[in-house]
Order: sequence, then C-alpha cells, then structure tokens
Amino acid sequence: EPEVTQTPSHQVTQMGQEVILRCVPISNHLYFYWYRQILGQKVEFLVSFYNNEISEKSEIFDDQFSVERPDGSNFTLKIRSTKLEDSAMYFCASSLGSEQFFGPGTRLTVL
Amino acid sequence: AQSVTQLDSQVPVFEEAPVELRCNYSSSVSVYLFWYVQYPNQGLQLLLKYLSGSTLVKGINGFEAEFNKSQTSFHLRKPSVHISDTAEYFCAVSTPRYEKLTFGTGTRLTIIP
Repeated sequence: EPEVTQTPSHQVTQMGQEVILRCVPISNHLYFYWYRQILGQKVEFLVSFYNNEISEKSEIFDDQFSVERPDGSNFTLKIRSTKLEDSAMYFCASSLGSEQFFGPGTRLTVL
Repeated sequence: AQSVTQLDSQVPVFEEAPVELRCNYSSSVSVYLFWYVQYPNQGLQLLLKYLSGSTLVKGINGFEAEFNKSQTSFHLRKPSVHISDTAEYFCAVSTPRYEKLTFGTGTRLTIIP
C-alpha cells in the first residue's frame, strides 16, 4: 500500500541554523500539506500546496518557513533560522481528494 | 473558519467496556469530519471519515461515529475496547475543497486491564 515517507525521523539542530525536512508524498496525489505538533499539544496546520504553489498558509508559517516541490516527487519544508519554539513533530500529508494521508513525522529538536 | 472541540482530554476505560469520545465542531459551511488515531511515538492514522450520506460511519478497529448536524457533533464510539486501543484520538474537520484539516486538542484513551 502506498504511503507518505519522511526523512529524517529525528533532527537535532542549533538555534539559528537552517533545517530542511523532507517528504515523499504518495505518487499520484496532487495536494500536499505540512502540519506540526508541539509536544503535548494539538496538530496545527502550517501550509498547503497545490499546482506548484502555496494554496493556503497559517499565521505560524511566517517568512522563516518555505516549501518546495523540487523534482516532482519530494516535498520539502525549510526553516531558515530555527528558534527554540520550532521544536515539534512535523507531519507531511498528501491527498488526491477528501482524505489526507500522513507520514510518520520528523521530530525537530532545536537546542 | 472551522473549529473543533474535544471535551475530554483524558478518558480511562476498563478493558472490554464501551467508550465514547466526544467531538463538537463549529462551521458556517458544510464540512467533512474525521477521526485520527495516534499511537505512542507514531504518526496519524485515519480511523474513519464522514463526507456525506449515512450519518453512521464505520471505521477500522471496530470504531464507529455518528454525525449529528443539529448538535454539530461527531462522537466516536466502540462497544468493547482492548488494551491495544490505548492512544491519542483526534477529531478533525475540513471543507469540501480539499482544504486544511483543523484538529481538536485530542483525547487520550487509557485502557485499564
């Protein structure tokens, strides 16, 4: 069964460093999403991406964040200068219609 | 904009007992409703979804949910729980344009042997 994959599973970085979180969505899906979950809190929407552009973003998704689909298979989330409060689990999701399929997540720890 | 309220942050239940996890939503437009389960240290897995049609929706692992438009609720039920059902359960809502999911704060289901 096709699935969404994410790498790395755990990323540790120093405050102020750039990180890139990678996702491989399900191959025939058209809609792509990033969500995050701070430890012990609810899952929050960051951004949605369709037809090679951002279709919606939340207020969390400020200028420090960017997304890209560089090669038709990967979908990346870049945080330009990480802050302590960026520590969270980041989930990628993809969909063809109403159901979003989630990856296993990348745990980002900012020290 | 949509919002989701999960009234219970934690629900302890004895093994083989029934359980109901409550979810209420708010939206000015028609919605899709979902329940996701998150096992410890894992990602989100879809349990069931309501898009349209029958208001009683059956999902995986013996779970079901009922959409009640007048009460804006989508409560999750299981007639007999098992230890393996120990997890965090999230209710979520979206609109029929493949838009973002808005999640509730989650309910931690703990099964007591």
